[in-house]
Amino acid sequence: GAVVSQHPSWVICKSGTSVKIECRSLDFQATTMFWYRQFPKQSLMLMATSNEGSKATYEQGVEKDKFLINHASLTLSTLTVTSAHPEDSSFYICSGGGHYEQYFGPGTRLTVT
Amino acid sequence: AQSVTQLDSQVPVFEEAPVELRCNYSSSVSVYLFWYVQYPNQGLQLLLKYLSGSTLVKGINGFEAEFNKSQTSFHLRKPSVHISDTAEYFCAVSGNAGGTSYGKLTFGQGTILTVHP
Repeated sequence: GAVVSQHPSWVICKSGTSVKIECRSLDFQATTMFWYRQFPKQSLMLMATSNEGSKATYEQGVEKDKFLINHASLTLSTLTVTSAHPEDSSFYICSGGGHYEQYFGPGTRLTVT
Repeated sequence: AQSVTQLDSQVPVFEEAPVELRCNYSSSVSVYLFWYVQYPNQGLQLLLKYLSGSTLVKGINGFEAEFNKSQTSFHLRKPSVHISDTAEYFCAVSGNAGGTSYGKLTFGQGTILTVHP
């Protein structure tokens, strides 16, 4: 199957700083990518839909000014957690693909101290 | 809108025993159905999917699932499990009408399968 990478795989940052997470489709073009958040021992919750060349679409309850998404090319979407707080600590996973199958990145574990 | 319910949060089984992980969904539109597996601190790997056609779907690692439209279920089964099957399993659904539902998945709560020797 197709491959999606994420960088970094693990990041620790101090409260109040910003962190950028990259999601790349390595062998396919993705006009649409999705960002999910997973709390420990919980399911994946869709945060937003990242659209190449246009604004992201955020799910209800997700602060778009806090979770900035940029999809500047057909192979790269970035999620920036701004002014991070400890409650933002989570596992962030992106996906890309098509209507019949989504390919998931390995995830990024964010810890805010 | 769709929702997915995985009826068991944890399923312990012994090695070589059969297992069934249950999944029910609700949706106002026709759906595609998926089962994913997640190993600790990793992303999700697709086990199998139902798009259309035969209701019995075979996937990787010996898993299979049956789509039952009348019961709105998509249970995952394996006739004989291995220690290496220990992981968390997620059932997911997406609307198949395209448009804003394109590729967007709604996940169940997950089922942790633990295979004991």
